[in-house]
Amino acid sequence: DAGVTQSPTHLIKTRGQHVTLRCSPISGHKSVSWYQQVLGQGPQFIFQYYEKEERGRGNFPDRFSARQFPNYSSELNVNALLLGDSALYLCASSWAAGTDYEQYFGPGTRLTVT
Amino acid sequence: AQSVTQLGSHVSVSEGALVLLRCNYSSSVPPYLFWYVQYPNQGLQLLLKYTTGATLVKGINGFEAEFKKSETSFHLTKPSAHMSDAAEYFCAVSNSGGSNYKLTFGKGTLLTVNP
Repeated sequence: DAGVTQSPTHLIKTRGQHVTLRCSPISGHKSVSWYQQVLGQGPQFIFQYYEKEERGRGNFPDRFSARQFPNYSSELNVNALLLGDSALYLCASSWAAGTDYEQYFGPGTRLTVT
Repeated sequence: AQSVTQLGSHVSVSEGALVLLRCNYSSSVPPYLFWYVQYPNQGLQLLLKYTTGATLVKGINGFEAEFKKSETSFHLTKPSAHMSDAAEYFCAVSNSGGSNYKLTFGKGTLLTVNP
């Protein structure tokens, strides 16, 4: 079975631009979470979605938004990019919401903002 | 608020030696605790987790961890290191209650295994 897939793998954007990152969960999983991992740090929670509804949001500005589609895939959008948004963005899927259920991480999208 | 402190950003051991990676947590409610491993250019893989019950938890690849509430610790050990264990290891905590939607990670410990 395919694991969590994310696209694109790498992305280079300029300050002020907008970016959309995509995530496809493992088949049968209904929850998707997004994390930001800055170089040298642990991942930081951004959002969790379950059944197309936002279940949790981390301490990120409103420039960050996400949504989940009927097929449970998800998009993370970041507006007005800043240099500090450069990071590895990880998507994790789980069968249902909550950390009772194992979260399976994708390989991530490496975003570089210049 | 929850937090995780991983003592030692870099640990170096010889092949065959004991691996000990330290993790202390802070949580106002009974925690769930996790250890993840990240190989270069890959996502995170769950090694083991503690939710309730037995405080000594066994995971994949010969790793285990012990939940010590009195010490607020969840240290990761492996009796004998292999070269393939070289990676970055992250300890994480979450709530055990209804708002347990997020993992809070430590900054990670890079494990180097020398031949």
